[in-house]
Amino acid sequence: NAGVTQTPKFRVLKTGQSMTLLCAQDMNHEYMYWYRQDPGMGLRLIHYSVGEGTTAKGEVPDGYNVSRLKKQNFLLGLESAAPSQTSVYFCASSGAGGSTDTQYFGPGTRLTVL
Amino acid sequence: GEDVEQSLFLSVREGDSSVINCTYTDSSSTYLYWYKQEPGAGLQLLTYIFSNMDMKQDQRLTVLLNKKDKHLSLRIADTQTGDSAIYFCAESMGPSNTGKLIFGQGTTLQVKP
Repeated sequence: NAGVTQTPKFRVLKTGQSMTLLCAQDMNHEYMYWYRQDPGMGLRLIHYSVGEGTTAKGEVPDGYNVSRLKKQNFLLGLESAAPSQTSVYFCASSGAGGSTDTQYFGPGTRLTVL
Repeated sequence: GEDVEQSLFLSVREGDSSVINCTYTDSSSTYLYWYKQEPGAGLQLLTYIFSNMDMKQDQRLTVLLNKKDKHLSLRIADTQTGDSAIYFCAESMGPSNTGKLIFGQGTTLQVKP
């Protein structure tokens, strides 16, 4: 039982390049989330999903797209990376109980956009 | 909109108590949470409190909620060097069946031996 895993752990991109971050969970959780963490700003929600095939916008969705084709995976895409997207990205998942369920976090992906 | 505020830094000596404070704005939040982040790791849930409670105790952790003042605190008794980490306060937002959270900026706790 690996919990929540994220791939890759580190990545450096040039402005304008694209990439996909992969989040996988093996806990059969319905809910999955993508956050970004910036110094002094805590975590901000980018997109989330309440079930396979569904996605919704969070606080800061611009410049990102997501897909949830399989229940266990939640992909975050950057179509044209910008320096403002330099951040640490965290994926999380939780069960179907909504706010009462613990969110389990992955270890993070550190992305630098030059 | 919803906002969660925390002080950024707290330094204590090993064995002392630590108190980390948080204020929030959304009075309709059902649950409030404390998460811990160790260096290079993701966030780990420490504890949570339902909005109709004033206090919750779990071993060395005590959570106090003042709903009138929208103030949440986390007290760590007998603080150890292993407690050094960033602590995030979070409140539930939106419909309760989405699990969405809004986080504070995080308080870095430094424990000196």
